[in-house]
Amino acid sequence: NAGVTQTPKFRILKIGQSMTLQCAQDMNHNYMYWYRQDPGMGLKLIYYSVGAGITDKGEVPNGYNVSRSTTEDFPLRLELAAPSQTSVYFCASSYGLEGAIGPGELFFGEGSRLTVL
Amino acid sequence: LAKTTQPISMDSYEGQEVNITCSHNNIATNDYITWYQQFPSQGPRFIIQGYKTKVTNEVASLFIPADRKSSTLSLPRVSLSDTAVYYCLVGGLWGGATNKLIFGTGTLLAVQP
Repeated sequence: NAGVTQTPKFRILKIGQSMTLQCAQDMNHNYMYWYRQDPGMGLKLIYYSVGAGITDKGEVPNGYNVSRSTTEDFPLRLELAAPSQTSVYFCASSYGLEGAIGPGELFFGEGSRLTVL
Repeated sequence: LAKTTQPISMDSYEGQEVNITCSHNNIATNDYITWYQQFPSQGPRFIIQGYKTKVTNEVASLFIPADRKSSTLSLPRVSLSDTAVYYCLVGGLWGGATNKLIFGTGTLLAVQP
C-alpha cells in the first residue's frame, strides 16, 4: 500500500492563479482531511469528508473548495491564490467503520509545499 | 468542540522520562484523546489514543484522570530522536461536529545530550 499520496510536492503560484492539490489514499478509508500548516505554526483544518459525496468546512475554509467523488480521492482547489495561502498542505485519512467510537489513527501524506508570489 | 491547551515548549535530557500535559476542559462524553508527533517537513505521526484511565503501547503511555479534563503523554527514556512537536487532539464519535479533528498549538520537545 502507498498510503496517502499527495501531488505536487512543491508548487509556486502567482497571485490570482488557481490550482488543485491532489490527494489519494489506497486504504479504503472513509474519512479524509485537509490541513494547512504555516511556518512555525500548528495545523489548521481546512475541509474534511466523511465519505464520497459528503464534505464539510473546517476552521479555515475560505479561499478553498473540495470535492469527494470517490472514496480514494479528495482534491483541494485553490481559487484566486493569495500570498496568505503560502503554506504546507497536508492531506490525511482515517478509518470510519460503522459503529466505531474512536477517531482512530490519522494517516498523513508527505505534504505539498505551496508558495504564492 | 473541545479546545486543547499545551505548554509551548519543554526541555529534557537523554534518558529522562518526559511528561507532556494537555488540558481539554470542555471535552465531550464521546471524545477520545489522541497524541501525534511531528518532525520538521513531515506530516504528524500517530503515537497513542485513549478514552480514560491509562493506555500503554511500545513507545508511550497516556494517562487520563477520571474527570478527563486533561491528559498526560509520558515518553520513557527519551533520546535525541524524540526532539519533535507533540500535538494533543480531542475528537470522537463519527457523525456530526466531532469529526472535526482540530489540532492544538503543540509542544516543542527539545532533548539535549
